Amino acid sequence: DAKTTQPTSMDCAEGRAANLPCNHSTISGNEYVYWYRQIHSQGPQYIIHGLKNNETNEMASLIITEDRKSSTLILPHATLRDTAVYYCIVRPQGGAGSYQLTFGKGTKLSVIP
Amino acid sequence: GAVVSQHPSWVICKSGTSVKIECRSLDFQATTMFWYRQFPKQSLMLMATSNEGSKATYEQGVEKDKFLINHASLTLSTLTVTSAHPEDSSFYICSSSTRDTQYFGPGTRLTVL
Repeated sequence: DAKTTQPTSMDCAEGRAANLPCNHSTISGNEYVYWYRQIHSQGPQYIIHGLKNNETNEMASLIITEDRKSSTLILPHATLRDTAVYYCIVRPQGGAGSYQLTFGKGTKLSVIP
Repeated sequence: GAVVSQHPSWVICKSGTSVKIECRSLDFQATTMFWYRQFPKQSLMLMATSNEGSKATYEQGVEKDKFLINHASLTLSTLTVTSAHPEDSSFYICSSSTRDTQYFGPGTRLTVL
């Protein structure tokens, strides 16, 4: 799997947009970008994933650059409950879901009142 | 949708005893389930990949005879920590996979005295 690089930590004011960057310059053509987050002492929560088009769901938006070497997860209106470690992971899709996820250190997002 | 449960959420046991952790996908069938372990202030580390009806595939350094995995149905996988020791104390997290996304359970905190 391609490796990803994320900032160690970020702060965001409550109510503002949180923009979390991820670099994946060695991503392969068949690899998707996945985002998960882990709130303290809980299992990771799936947020969103994409291949090359921008994606949006009820939780967040994912912006992938045209060359696919980096992406940004956007939480449009951060709340205190969004304080968590955010993981950007690249992996192939398909194959009956048998592809594992390799977790790096992620970005510790702190939403400040 | 895509809810994964784990039981128990926490367990304390004496050294030398065995502990079984259950992982269930509640609203979908998962051909593949994964078991992770997370030590304090570290990221998730994959222990094994479990496919329904077949033997689990363990990651390097994970003892298959100590961490017994059974995946008897498309909705249930179990992890048994045999002859537990204090160094096995950790946060154990399972995930169930659809074709394109892994969904995680809430985790089980194991403390071995």
